[in-house]
Amino acid sequence: RKEVEQDPGPFNVPEGATVAFNCTYSNSASQSFFWYRQDCRKEPKLLMSVYSSGNEDGRFTAQLNRASQYISLLIRDSKLSDSATYLCVVRSILTGGGNKLTFGTGTQLKVEL
Amino acid sequence: DGGITQSPKYLFRKEGQNVTLSCEQNLNHDAMYWYRQDPGQGLRLIYYSQIVNDFQKGDIAEGYSVSREKKESFPLTVTSAQKNPTAFYLCASSVNTGGLSYNEQFFGPGTRLTVL
Repeated sequence: RKEVEQDPGPFNVPEGATVAFNCTYSNSASQSFFWYRQDCRKEPKLLMSVYSSGNEDGRFTAQLNRASQYISLLIRDSKLSDSATYLCVVRSILTGGGNKLTFGTGTQLKVEL
Repeated sequence: DGGITQSPKYLFRKEGQNVTLSCEQNLNHDAMYWYRQDPGQGLRLIYYSQIVNDFQKGDIAEGYSVSREKKESFPLTVTSAQKNPTAFYLCASSVNTGGLSYNEQFFGPGTRLTVL
């Protein structure tokens, strides 16, 4: 079983739609959770952290369910510019200190006119 | 401007040759990381360094080597022992190296290595 699993998609949605991505992780000792965005042939960039109580940043809402080891990202009123791959990322502490990020394979979103 | 730079952007190598990928940051970050990304797979950690003159193997270190002689620089050498080196290589850095607080990892633009 992969440490972080995501549906690869692609999710093809019309502009203005609401779309949700899910992610599950296997390490119950994971400390922190994030969504990164990666545009085609570019580096990943942090989209938002995911907090236990759920958090929102504009059109983006992230939720965490530690009991089910499940993370979600909701995008409302999707824009053409939201087209990208969304990476679910889980942080754990390395032996001896330091932190390790484990990346899911990403979910591809295509927003269409 | 502060950031992470990687060079070259594209690199072609013949089988059996070693090649070194550059990563430089001027963010004054303590920790630096190397990942590779293959189609259909998530980023995988090759090596990381928490402090100058110290580095640790990640999940897929075989066939790679690194050095951390300066805080700003963390070059990665892909050796001829790496059986499948064609990939997208990403360097990242972060502020703190431990503790429970999270510090974002910032990524460089990446180097696409192709073995001919």
